[in-house]
Amino acid sequence: QVQLQESGPGLVKASETLSLTCTVSGGSISTYSWSWIRQPPGKGLEWIGYIFDSGSTDCDPSLKSRVTISIDTSKKQFSLKLTSVTAADTAVYYCARRAVRPERFDYWGQGALVTVSS
Amino acid sequence: AIQMTQSPSSLSASVGDRVTITCRASQGIRNDLGWYQQKPGKAPKLLIYAASILQSGVPSRFSGSGSGTDFTLTISSLQPEDFATYYCLQDYNYPLTFGGGTKVEIK
Repeated sequence: QVQLQESGPGLVKASETLSLTCTVSGGSISTYSWSWIRQPPGKGLEWIGYIFDSGSTDCDPSLKSRVTISIDTSKKQFSLKLTSVTAADTAVYYCARRAVRPERFDYWGQGALVTVSS
Repeated sequence: AIQMTQSPSSLSASVGDRVTITCRASQGIRNDLGWYQQKPGKAPKLLIYAASILQSGVPSRFSGSGSGTDFTLTISSLQPEDFATYYCLQDYNYPLTFGGGTKVEIK
């Protein structure tokens, strides 16, 4: 059974860097792409970006200047760094596996709430 | 970016009702659309992908249809466990974009 688990600080100060890691268990990290998706409290879902095991990555243009997504295939982990955070970055952050052909997010982590404090 | 417009944003329905949620894309996306269900405090769950393919383990009362710009999620007979928020997601190109969500509440 594939499982994804987010980990990282739940509280980040404004202007600092948010860092989260997603650990994948029960399945291969190859073949799929791996995404970060967030949800501000009481609001909808927002896709942040993806990475493949090859290291190929892309993200939403609105976040591109602040986002880095990386992968460590030996540890079956991928990570998100979001710099210069503000209160608007307070959200539940999900990691998710995207199967291909056809594409779909078939496995999700439980989510990690990150609060940006002033 | 492709804009996904979901309607309605909320609805009230009774157990046993037939429920229809629509999603419209700002440009054609073939059939590259998925539907997700989210319950409070939980991660979204995949229901339908490629517009009409039922994810394994999802009850057959859920169905999806559409292609191009207009898509529909139908729940044929609403069950108590179906009260949740539903999101569409376009998988056609990057950046991936979700609809605003439809909250299905108990009447």
